[in-house]
Amino acid sequence: GIQVEQSPPDLILQEGANSTLRCNFSDSVNNLQWFHQNPWGQLINLFYIPSGTKQNGRLSATTVATERYSLLYISSSQTTDSGVYFCAVSMYSGGGADGLTFGKGTHLIIQP
Amino acid sequence: ETGVTQSPTHLIKTRGQQVTLRCSSQSGHNTVSWYQQALGQGPQFIFQYYREEENGRGNFPPRFSGLQFPNYSSELNVNALELDDSALYLCASSPQIANEQFFGPGTRLTVL
Repeated sequence: GIQVEQSPPDLILQEGANSTLRCNFSDSVNNLQWFHQNPWGQLINLFYIPSGTKQNGRLSATTVATERYSLLYISSSQTTDSGVYFCAVSMYSGGGADGLTFGKGTHLIIQP
Repeated sequence: ETGVTQSPTHLIKTRGQQVTLRCSSQSGHNTVSWYQQALGQGPQFIFQYYREEENGRGNFPPRFSGLQFPNYSSELNVNALELDDSALYLCASSPQIANEQFFGPGTRLTVL
């Protein structure tokens, strides 16, 4: 199956700093999602980005499908950005399920 | 528009018992996927239901089973509970297979 590696595993930053989170995947995908998991366990959708670049406020993401990686950028970090960020991928080829394969996540701590 | 809901929020069972977890998909979504998230790990795909049929599963034994109803809500049943089944169980719905998945808040199961 597809392997997903996220880096760094842990990141501690001061409020106002910028950060880049990386997701590498081992095979072709046609679904790639970034999530933020809050302390209560809720997975919040950030981006659905199998390819290309998207921006939403202080967050942006880029997926280079041909090189099998995606990047999540967080600018001007706030303490509320703290939590675990997951990248998840799937490859649906017309039959069966498209269950997402998740990476192990990046644990981000923003200090005031 | 109501998002994905799950019940109960927390559950405590003893080894060997059976448990049923419930999920209501987002309005207009016909595909439901279930995931298990152990502490400190990324979620792992259990199975997916599309139009009331299981259309694929991950690496989970048959004692993990499910149902999808005509209104596209879903149940996850786990028989013969083991200690390692203690985890956060997440349900996700999507408008179709191979679309963006949206997650519910999860059910935290503790097996004693």
